[in-house]
Amino acid sequence: EAGVAQSPRYKIIEKRQSVAFWCNPISGHATLYWYQQILGQGPKLLIQFQNNGVVDDSQLPKDRFSAERLKGVDSTLKIQPAKLEDSAVYLCASSSIGTDSSYNSPLHFGNGTRLTVT
Amino acid sequence: QKEVEQDPGPLSVPEGAIVSLNCTYSNSAFQYFMWYRQYSRKGPELLMYTYSSGNKEDGRFTAQVDKSSKYISLFIRDSQPSDSATYLCAMSRNSGNTPLVFGKGTRLSVIA
Repeated sequence: EAGVAQSPRYKIIEKRQSVAFWCNPISGHATLYWYQQILGQGPKLLIQFQNNGVVDDSQLPKDRFSAERLKGVDSTLKIQPAKLEDSAVYLCASSSIGTDSSYNSPLHFGNGTRLTVT
Repeated sequence: QKEVEQDPGPLSVPEGAIVSLNCTYSNSAFQYFMWYRQYSRKGPELLMYTYSSGNKEDGRFTAQVDKSSKYISLFIRDSQPSDSATYLCAMSRNSGNTPLVFGKGTRLSVIA
């Protein structure tokens, strides 16, 4: 089974520039997550999709961050304009839905995109 | 008080030692408890997944949950250099993983 694919692996931009990250989840996984992991911290959820609908975006800084999941498969996360404090690893994860629709399997993570804002 | 507290270490042990990693939490609504292992420049990978209180064993790894104390542990027996990584505890209120709250992670080094 292919894992969660993310690109690019690394990105360096200047503050106030924009950047986009791409994620392809495991085939058949209905739920997709974007997490932000700042150095020395655990991952923090930014947004959760189920199919192409948003389930939870309460911690997404909506003035600068946006995300979409067209056709319920791939997803992109965009930051515009970037700030210095956005330097972090952006992790995408996916999970499947069990026979009980309230259940999701444990998360499978990609290797992330490391963003440096200078 | 943060929802999930985890000592970031670093923790350094000799090969073959028993390792104990711990997290405490404040939200009594958490029901599902996980341990993830994260190698440098990689994404977290799931090690153990438990529901409510009790023990779960998988090979050299044992996860313990004590909901009355709001305390979870991961034990690694016969530790190997390949176990050197950051270990993240995570927990959620429901099986839907929403939201999954992580600890800061403990960095472990196993010295040959």
